[in-house]
Amino acid sequence: RKEVEQDPGPFNVPEGATVAFNCTYSNSASQSFFWYRQDCRKEPKLLMSVYSSGNEDGRFTAQLNRASQYISLLIRDSKLSDSATYLCVVNQKVTFGIGTKLQVIP
Amino acid sequence: NAGVTQTPKFQVLKTGQSMTLQCAQDMNHNSMYWYRQDPGMGLRLIYYSASEGTTDKGEVPNGYNVSRLNKREFSLRLESAAPSQTSVYFCASRAGTGPQPQHFGDGTRLSIL
Repeated sequence: RKEVEQDPGPFNVPEGATVAFNCTYSNSASQSFFWYRQDCRKEPKLLMSVYSSGNEDGRFTAQLNRASQYISLLIRDSKLSDSATYLCVVNQKVTFGIGTKLQVIP
Repeated sequence: NAGVTQTPKFQVLKTGQSMTLQCAQDMNHNSMYWYRQDPGMGLRLIYYSASEGTTDKGEVPNGYNVSRLNKREFSLRLESAAPSQTSVYFCASRAGTGPQPQHFGDGTRLSIL
């Protein structure tokens, strides 16, 4: 089993839709989790940290489920500008998921 | 706000040539990392340096060497480039251990013919 697993997508969603991605991790001792956004041929940029109690930043909500060992990212009211690849990161060994590609369609 | 600076941004090499990719950060971060990213493979860790004076192998270290020259700089060397090393290389830094995110450079696009 890979340390961090993500569905590579693509997820094609209409503008205004709500979309959710999950990311599973194998090491139960993992302590820190992040979501990054990567635009085509650009460097990954931090989108948000993931806290145990869940956290929200505008239209984005991140959650952690330690019992099932996954983190999630929810995007509400999708914008065209949200089209990108979303990478989850589990920091026990700074391991990146493969990324989930999101395409928001007008 | 320079953050993490990588040079060069693009490079084409012939098989067997050597080169060094440079990375510098101005955030006083302790940890630095080198990744490669290939289509469909995600980011894979080549080497990292948890602090000045230490380096450790990551997931795909073969064919590479690194030097943590000082706290700011972490270079990646290809001694004898191979076509399989054609990739986009990202350098990243992080304040230290614990729940700290990484900050990435713009990347170096390397093609080996």
